[in-house]
Amino acid sequence: AQSVSQHNHHVILSEAASLELGCNYSYGGTVNLFWYVQYPGQHLQLLLKYFSGDPLVKGIKGFEAEFIKSKFSFNLRKPSVQWSDTAEYFCASPSGRGSTLGRLYFGRGTQLTVWP
Amino acid sequence: GAVVSQHPSWVICKSGTSVKIECRSLDFQATTMFWYRQFPKQSLMLMATSNEGSKATYEQGVEKDKFLINHASLTLSTLTVTSAHPEDSSFYICSARDGLRRSKETQYFGPGTRLLVL
Repeated sequence: AQSVSQHNHHVILSEAASLELGCNYSYGGTVNLFWYVQYPGQHLQLLLKYFSGDPLVKGIKGFEAEFIKSKFSFNLRKPSVQWSDTAEYFCASPSGRGSTLGRLYFGRGTQLTVWP
Repeated sequence: GAVVSQHPSWVICKSGTSVKIECRSLDFQATTMFWYRQFPKQSLMLMATSNEGSKATYEQGVEKDKFLINHASLTLSTLTVTSAHPEDSSFYICSARDGLRRSKETQYFGPGTRLLVL
């Protein structure tokens, strides 16, 4: 079964600093990977996703992530964070077969706090 | 597009009562819906996978008789917490997959329902 791990539990940055949040997955076959963001009091929103093709994926709000197969990683990056990026970030990957196809495995999440 | 709604957004109930939470896909047909619960400062934990017209598939450790899931149409799934107890207090989130889109793996999440059992 797929598992996803996020090792950064809480990241604190100043505005304009660069961001990289780690995500590692365990499954070595065909991999689909997602980054979701949950702003305070809001529901999960899709930031970006990787299915195949170019390993550098561009998402919304200036975020990008790079799929590195050899490292089993899919780290999220942003060159310059803003105060409004303060949120919880989740890496996820689907797995399952048949009736459970598409079930998402989530990492435990990384809380990003950006100070103005 | 791809909007998922949940109702109610929050509910407070007495211990022993049952609570029904609705999850609707507003502008697409959701062949599969998922129910998660999220404890404070923790990640989402999948409770069950709900396929339209068939029985839900529950994750290990989730009591199917306590968390009743019905997915009677392509736009509606319901989660009923039966005989709720304080330990059932949590944030319940549903998501839905658009069965007709090419990117079938993408899930769209509802805003969540906060349940507090007194």
